[in-house]
Amino acid sequence: SQQGEEDPQALSIQEGENATMNCSYKTSINNLQWYRQNSGRGLVHLILIRSNEREKHSGRLRVTLDTSKKSSSLLITASRAADTASYFCATDSDPSIAGGTSYGKLTFGQGTILTVHP
Amino acid sequence: NAGVTQTPKFQVLKTGQSMTLQCAQDMNHNSMYWYRQDPGMGLRLIYYSASEGTTDKGEVPNGYNVSRLNKREFSLRLESAAPSQTSVYFCASSRIVQEAFFGQGTRLTVV
Repeated sequence: SQQGEEDPQALSIQEGENATMNCSYKTSINNLQWYRQNSGRGLVHLILIRSNEREKHSGRLRVTLDTSKKSSSLLITASRAADTASYFCATDSDPSIAGGTSYGKLTFGQGTILTVHP
Repeated sequence: NAGVTQTPKFQVLKTGQSMTLQCAQDMNHNSMYWYRQDPGMGLRLIYYSASEGTTDKGEVPNGYNVSRLNKREFSLRLESAAPSQTSVYFCASSRIVQEAFFGQGTRLTVV
């Protein structure tokens, strides 16, 4: 089963605009991660936010986490055509929920396809 | 800086054939994983290995077996391929509670 649900499923914007993607999950987590996947390629890690963190920045990326609502958002500011890709959230479950140890097993959402038009 | 290397990149199998997907990482990570990705979906965990000598089932293990040959290598075997196993397979490695590094994927078609 998919832990994370992402919306929107697809997002189309112009270069320079901001892109916001949302992720909801079901069970308690140890951390939440965002990955990017270019067409036909492997996944590339973008950012990791731990369950005791509320916001994190990395370059043009801003991630928020609301554990009370079991949700996260990824904001890409000043988007570029090169940001065109699929974006996935992935959760690493709370070890106490996962039967003692999660071992870094990730549960992925179905992804958001972002298209940035030049 | 090879990271995670998967072979082969593409494979076509006939129903009932067997094959092994190879994965190697050079980052000295303890944990390794096999995921599959179907169209329009995120990745689903097939098997994982928390450390050398241990393996365990993930969300969708049926029809697969794995071997953690040493700390670097983690292979995935399909004993009798079925059309439902047509997918893109990704190997990944990580240190626990840190980000995962993914290979480029193996695109498998079973006809």
